[in-house]
Parts: sequence; C-alpha cells; structure tokens
Amino acid sequence: EVQLLESGGGLVQPEGSLRLSCAASGFTFSNYAMTWVRQAPGKGPEWVSSISDSGDNTFYADSVRGRFTISRDSSKDTLFLQMNSLKAGDTALYYCGKIRSGIATAAINHWGQGTLVTVSS
Amino acid sequence: DIQMTQSPSSLSASVRDRVTITCRASQGISNYLAWYQQKPGKVPKLLIYAASTLQSGVPSRFSGSGSGTHFTLTISSLQPEDVATYYCQKYNSAPFTFGPGTKVDIK
Repeated sequence: EVQLLESGGGLVQPEGSLRLSCAASGFTFSNYAMTWVRQAPGKGPEWVSSISDSGDNTFYADSVRGRFTISRDSSKDTLFLQMNSLKAGDTALYYCGKIRSGIATAAINHWGQGTLVTVSS
Repeated sequence: DIQMTQSPSSLSASVRDRVTITCRASQGISNYLAWYQQKPGKVPKLLIYAASTLQSGVPSRFSGSGSGTHFTLTISSLQPEDVATYYCQKYNSAPFTFGPGTKVDIK
C-alpha cells in the first residue's frame, strides 16, 4: 500500500523558512516523479512544484520560484520542500503527491494527508 | 501560461441524475488532463487521467472525454457519496494548473 507521510509544517513568521519532508513507502520511490500541491483554507488545490524520478528535472509555480526548492533522497525514500522567504500567501495545507510516471507530465495518483504551514507574525 | 476554467462552479442534482462537468484549457493540451474528486475534509482522489482513462477502483459511473481544449467529466447516475468538489488538472507541461473546481451536491 502506498503511503506518503508529510512532516515539517508549523507556524512561521513572514520571511522565515521551513523544510517539509514526505516519507514514502509501499512503492519503488526512485521510479516515480513526485510533487507538492498546496491548498489554502477554503480554496482549491494549487500546484507548487514537481521533480522527476532521477531528480534531474524540477519544476516550479511562478508564485514560489526562487523561494522554494524541491529535492529528493532516494536512499531514504523521502521528498523535500525547502521554503524560504515565506509570505502570508503561502499559508496552506501542503500535500505530497506521487505521480503516475517517472516524468512530471502525468497525473497524481496518490496523495498524503498534508502538513499545515501557517505564515503569520 | 495556459488557463483552466470549469463550468458550472456548482450544481445541485437529484440521485440517479446524469451530471456533466466541463473543463476548458485556454490552449490545446492534447489529452494531458486529469480529474480529481475531493470530498469535504478529505484528500483529493484521482478519478480519471489521460482525459478518459478511469483510475483503478473508481466506479464505472464516472467517465471522461475530450481532447485539445474541451473536456468533460460525466457521472452517469449521481449517488449520495458523490457529493464533492471536482477539479481538473492539466499536466502536458509546467505549470500543472488545476481548474477552480465544481461543487456537486444533492438536491
């Protein structure tokens, strides 16, 4: 059974940093692209970032490019999202997702339960 | 960037009704489109990918069609457990944008 367990969320002040982690199990992590999607309270999902199976290709939404960095450690079956220069608009539930393919151009077929990030002073 | 729109934004239908939701892309995306269902307080769930391929385990009353810029999600016989918000997502190239959603409830 595929399991994705996010951690690292919390309350952070504007301009602060957080590092989210997503521990994956139940599948061969190194064979699949992965993604982060966020959802602000009462809003729809917003794609944030994706990474290919090898980690060689990364993609970012304009709203986070230059502030967020996606990475993966296949020796630990873990996906990361380093978030810097956080803004109030980054407040959301952050989901980790497994993509159906090794490349990012595929649908998200498994989602974690999410980790909440709140940016506020 | 390609924009995704959905219509209607919400609908109310009776049990066993046929329900159709439309998703449009501002430019052609071939069949690189997915549909997700999100029930209140729950995680999104993949229903359909490649515009018309049913994800394993999804009831056959759900179907998808379309290509290019116009896509539809159809629920052939609406059930109470289908109350949810439905989102389309393009994935032909980044940004992998979601549509704004269509909220479905029971009349």
